[in-house]
Amino acid sequence: EIVLTQSPGTLSLSPGERATLSCRASQSVSSSYLAWYQQKPGQAPRLLIYGASSRATGIPGRFSGSGSGTDFTLTISRLEPEDFAVYSCQQYGDSPITFGQGTRLEIK
Amino acid sequence: EVQLVESGGGVARPGGSLRLSCAASGFTFDDYGMSWVRQAPGKGLEWVSGINWNGGSIGYADYVKGRFTISRDNAKNSLYLHMNSLRVEDTALYHCARNPTGAYYYDMDVWGKGTTVTVSS
Repeated sequence: EIVLTQSPGTLSLSPGERATLSCRASQSVSSSYLAWYQQKPGQAPRLLIYGASSRATGIPGRFSGSGSGTDFTLTISRLEPEDFAVYSCQQYGDSPITFGQGTRLEIK
Repeated sequence: EVQLVESGGGVARPGGSLRLSCAASGFTFDDYGMSWVRQAPGKGLEWVSGINWNGGSIGYADYVKGRFTISRDNAKNSLYLHMNSLRVEDTALYHCARNPTGAYYYDMDVWGKGTTVTVSS
């Protein structure tokens, strides 16, 4: 099983700043089958990025994904107030599908 | 509007059973794979099971294999999760989610809000 480790556990930033979230896999994720989700309290997860770097429908351009192999990054270029949430990565290149434990992005 | 609505959650005793349902609307259900993902209180997301568009390919996480059964009824636009031999550690919010292709081994582009399962004596 591929274990995904996200860092940091909590990231405290201010609106307008740049956020960089990391997702590291215990072994290589085949074909960059990695996705990122945003989840706010009481809401369902929302797909942001799939295939490591492709934005999902309707996702603003300030969200971008990069990486390959075992190291992946979600970048939010300029934080908006609505971006403060929990972010999780998921790999779907190997059985079983696994998620990271999440990074909480909080307002500083 | 594309929508997934889960139901069937509740309180069960350890060793008991529950059946979760997920009603899909706003899209052609049998074009897509479907998955169940759970989230225990204060914990991260955890994949439970997936099924391809016609039910011919199914997968389970090791911690539910042999206890949970996923199924779908394309005529009713519905996904199910039969949960047997429930354990305290199965307590979670259970989401159904759509995979963007006919297979289930993908990301998940539409999610329901979830139904809560509590296993307690």
